Amino acid sequence: EDKVVQSPLSLVVHEGDTVTLNCSYEVTNFRSLLWYKQEKKAPTFLFMLTSSGIEKKSGRLSSILDKKELFSILNITATQTGDSAVYLCAVEAVQKTSYDKVIFGPGTSLSVIP
Amino acid sequence: GAVVSQHPSWVICKSGTSVKIECRSLDFQATTMFWYRQFPKQSLMLMATSNEGSKATYEQGVEKDKFLINHASLTLSTLTVTSAHPEDSSFYICSARVALYRPQHFGDGTRLSIL
Repeated sequence: EDKVVQSPLSLVVHEGDTVTLNCSYEVTNFRSLLWYKQEKKAPTFLFMLTSSGIEKKSGRLSSILDKKELFSILNITATQTGDSAVYLCAVEAVQKTSYDKVIFGPGTSLSVIP
Repeated sequence: GAVVSQHPSWVICKSGTSVKIECRSLDFQATTMFWYRQFPKQSLMLMATSNEGSKATYEQGVEKDKFLINHASLTLSTLTVTSAHPEDSSFYICSARVALYRPQHFGDGTRLSIL
């Protein structure tokens, strides 16, 4: 059965700390891995990763994928209270019918305290 | 760019009513749209995937006759919850994607409460 696992499920840090969020997956016909940030409403897109070893960076956030070991990490440096959110990892896989299969992980709830 | 609008944001209705939720891509054409359901403090659960002009593909355990999906154009998909019951109360989120190898962009979700 396809699955996406995230760890930790919950994390509390102080402003300025660096955090690493983990996502591992077991998915047939992997196509891409995505990271999203969800605050009160809909998830907002952070990164899409398709190739191993290529770091994607946006400001204080960065992410990398290891397709051999089937995991990805999301790093946030110099955390701010505005980084408090649930971070979702999702894996897209190709189906025989050419339709997508999208599996979301349970999310990591990050709380950044002043 | 990549804005997805979902309407309504919140609906309360009586048991037995049918409810329609709209999902629109405002500034791009979406070849594929997705519908998710999210329970409190849980992750998103994919309900169905739809390509414009085709029948939706439903995930296992999702009733096709209960959750009717129509993707009539490249900018609009609708989800109709037919004969809704209290157990259908949930947060429903749509997303849209331009093409393969492009990320999904999400609407703000619809909170559905069935009394």
